[in-house]
Amino acid sequence: DQQVKQNSPSLSVQEGRISILNCDYTNSMFDYFLWYKKYPAEGPTFLISISSIKDKNEDGRFTVFLNKSAKHLSLHIVPSQPGDSAVYFCAAILTSYGKLTFGQGTILTVHP
Amino acid sequence: EPEVTQTPSHQVTQMGQEVILRCVPISNHLYFYWYRQILGQKVEFLVSFYNNEISEKSEIFDDQFSVERPDGSNFTLKIRSTKLEDSAMYFCASSGGAGVYGYTFGSGTRLTVV
Repeated sequence: DQQVKQNSPSLSVQEGRISILNCDYTNSMFDYFLWYKKYPAEGPTFLISISSIKDKNEDGRFTVFLNKSAKHLSLHIVPSQPGDSAVYFCAAILTSYGKLTFGQGTILTVHP
Repeated sequence: EPEVTQTPSHQVTQMGQEVILRCVPISNHLYFYWYRQILGQKVEFLVSFYNNEISEKSEIFDDQFSVERPDGSNFTLKIRSTKLEDSAMYFCASSGGAGVYGYTFGSGTRLTVV
């Protein structure tokens, strides 16, 4: 089941610069997309979400962009901080069902 | 901030034994979920539970697995006759409504089957 894919296993960024994490999906029925941050031995922590009827949602340093025609979304973190270093998961949901479908995750490392 | 609480944080069990993983969802949430993450792999959906019954389950959730809400606060995942490949992090989640409202994960139980 590869309905949600994160093709970059890792990303390394300098502190203060922009981090861009990418995610692709195949199921056009998904109506919400979410980004989660995860540390080892902890559960996923919700960061930001976007409805399929929008193309951008912003919350502080985090912005998610959705391109429905390309079935692609991205998470921008500006400016990146060392505390942002974690695994980032993209997830999609068909809200009438409630289950989240996750991507494989991208390890973000922000260097001081 | 409300939390989803999972116990134990780590469980080691012998192959073939039964285990029960426990979760206390956020108190006013109505939808409950179990996910798992095998080391190095993606987080996978196992089962969703609403109104005292399973609403959806994945192919992984076979007859070896069962869920229960034995009282008003706990939500449990039982794995009968554990196998080595059941070793994973198991995450409980709850949400306040259908969809993304308040969708919150617990910190997980690491299950090791030896």
